[in-house]
Amino acid sequence: EPEVTQTPSHQVTQMGQEVILRCVPISNHLYFYWYRQILGQKVEFLVSFYNNEISEKSEIFDDQFSVERPDGSNFTLKIRSTKLEDSAMYFCASSVEIMNTEAFFGQGTRLTVV
Amino acid sequence: AQSVTQPDIHITVSEGASLELRCNYSYGATPYLFWYVQSPGQGLQLLLKYFSGDTLVQGIKGFEAEFKRSQSSFNLRKPSVHWSDAAEYFCAVGSTGGGNKLTFGTGTQLKVEL
Repeated sequence: EPEVTQTPSHQVTQMGQEVILRCVPISNHLYFYWYRQILGQKVEFLVSFYNNEISEKSEIFDDQFSVERPDGSNFTLKIRSTKLEDSAMYFCASSVEIMNTEAFFGQGTRLTVV
Repeated sequence: AQSVTQPDIHITVSEGASLELRCNYSYGATPYLFWYVQSPGQGLQLLLKYFSGDTLVQGIKGFEAEFKRSQSSFNLRKPSVHWSDAAEYFCAVGSTGGGNKLTFGTGTQLKVEL
């Protein structure tokens, strides 16, 4: 069964460093998303992406964050200068369409900022 | 703005007992509704979804949920719980205006006693 894959599964980085979280969405999907889940809190929407541009972003998704689809298969989330409060599980998701369809989630990348 | 409330943070049931997890949503129109399950160290797996039509929806692993517009609820049920159902369950609402942005509840942690 097709699935969304994320790498790495766990990343530890020092505060102020840049990190790139990688995702390979399901191959025929056109819409891509990033969510995050701070430990013990709810899953929160960060950004949606379609046709090589951001469709919607939340207040969390400030100038420190960026997304990119550098080639036909990868979808990345970059955090330019990490802060302690960026420590969270980051989930990538993809969907075939923008409406009337579900999003499929990856296993997540646990980011720990020290 | 859309929101989801899961009033039960933790629920413990005996194996073989029935289960009902509560979910209430706030949304201006008919919402898209989802239940996801997250096992320890795993990603989010879709259990079932409601877009329109029959208000009783069947999902995977023997789960079902009923959409009740009058109560703004979408409760998840299972007639007989198995030990492997122990996990965290998230209710989510999606925007019917497009964008596929999901708003999640805080989750219900299910423990199953043998």
